[in-house]
Amino acid sequence: RKEVEQDPGPFNVPEGATVAFNCTYSNSASQSFFWYRQDCRKEPKLLMSVYSSGNEDGRFTAQLNRASQYISLLIRDSKLSDSATYLCVVNLRGSTLGRLYFGRGTQLTVWP
Amino acid sequence: EAGVAQSPRYKIIEKRQSVAFWCNPISGHATLYWYQQILGQGPKLLIQFQNNGVVDDSQLPKDRFSAERLKGVDSTLKIQPAKLEDSAVYLCASSSPRGGKETQYFGPGTRLLVL
Repeated sequence: RKEVEQDPGPFNVPEGATVAFNCTYSNSASQSFFWYRQDCRKEPKLLMSVYSSGNEDGRFTAQLNRASQYISLLIRDSKLSDSATYLCVVNLRGSTLGRLYFGRGTQLTVWP
Repeated sequence: EAGVAQSPRYKIIEKRQSVAFWCNPISGHATLYWYQQILGQGPKLLIQFQNNGVVDDSQLPKDRFSAERLKGVDSTLKIQPAKLEDSAVYLCASSSPRGGKETQYFGPGTRLLVL
């Protein structure tokens, strides 16, 4: 079983739509959670960390459900520039030396 | 601030040949990572260094892959001999704790094709 599971999509949505991505993780000892964004043929970049209380950054909202071992990312008012692959990432240890486990990514295309 | 530098950007080799990749992390970052990203998958950690010491190399195929960070700054990853299944993007990342958080910054990657 993989550490992090994501629906690979693709998700194709019109501009202005709201879209949600989900991810599950297998190890209940996981302590840190992130969403990374990866543009086509580019390197991954941190989009946002995910906290137990949920957090928001502009049009992006991340939620964590530890009981269900489930992480979500909601994008409101989608822009063309949001087209990318979104990687769900989990760190098994809270320390700085913990290994990051990446999901395979969910591909999003926003069309005009 | 300069980002993580990697070279070469692209490499095409035949199976059983050797290849080496180079990474220069962000200045002052003590932790350096090498990841392998196969098409359609997320990055997979190969090896993690803290300064010049190896922290985690449990997923490194040691029969053919090796990595070093002798002076605790730049690093090289080598594959010898290469196999077809090694075709992937090899990403280097570095990090340093700041404000209790540690964010990994990735380089542009080296795209390897093994024929």
